[in-house]
Amino acid sequence: QLQLQESGPGLVKPSETLSLTCTVSGGSISTTSYYWGWIRQSPGKGLEWIGSIYHTGSTYYNPSLKSRVTISLDTSKNQFSLRLTSVTAADTAIYYCARGIPPAAADRPWGQGTLVTVSS
Amino acid sequence: DIQMTQSPSSLSASVGDRVTITCQASQDINNFLNWYQQRPGKAPKLLIYDASNLETGVPSRFSGSGSGTDFSFTISSLQPEDIATYYCQQYDDLPLTFGGGTKVEIK
Repeated sequence: QLQLQESGPGLVKPSETLSLTCTVSGGSISTTSYYWGWIRQSPGKGLEWIGSIYHTGSTYYNPSLKSRVTISLDTSKNQFSLRLTSVTAADTAIYYCARGIPPAAADRPWGQGTLVTVSS
Repeated sequence: DIQMTQSPSSLSASVGDRVTITCQASQDINNFLNWYQQRPGKAPKLLIYDASNLETGVPSRFSGSGSGTDFSFTISSLQPEDIATYYCQQYDDLPLTFGGGTKVEIK
């Protein structure tokens, strides 16, 4: 059974970089034609897709965040990561990682989520 | 971006009631629509994909229908464990977009 688990700092200072990792167990991120994506949820903006990476390494980002986002794969650790630069309080949210079965870029299953607060 | 308009934003119903939620897309999404359940404090869980296909292991009281731009999600007989917020999501085009959610409560 595929499981995903987010990890990373729960508190990030304004203007700094948010970095999260999603560890995948129960399946390989590199040998099957899936997407691996990030979605966030905040009270003010609901559910927002951040971006996804295909198993080949091709990336797809939400245009609203594209200038600040990088998603990458680490196949040796069966992990994928999110970097979001120049964060502000508006980036405070629960961040989820999720697998995407094409054509969906992120849908099932989701990790349990991790709360990231942006504050000095 | 494709806008997803979900209604109602909340509803209260009795155990055993039939509950229906609607979702309207701003353009034809070719039935590329998911429905999720999010229980309090938990991650969203996929219930319905491709507008009407039940995900493996999901109870048959949940169903989805619709095409083009208009979709609906139904719980045929509401159970206490169905208390949650339900979301639609389109995956016809990037960026993926979600409806605003429907909070379902027991009357």
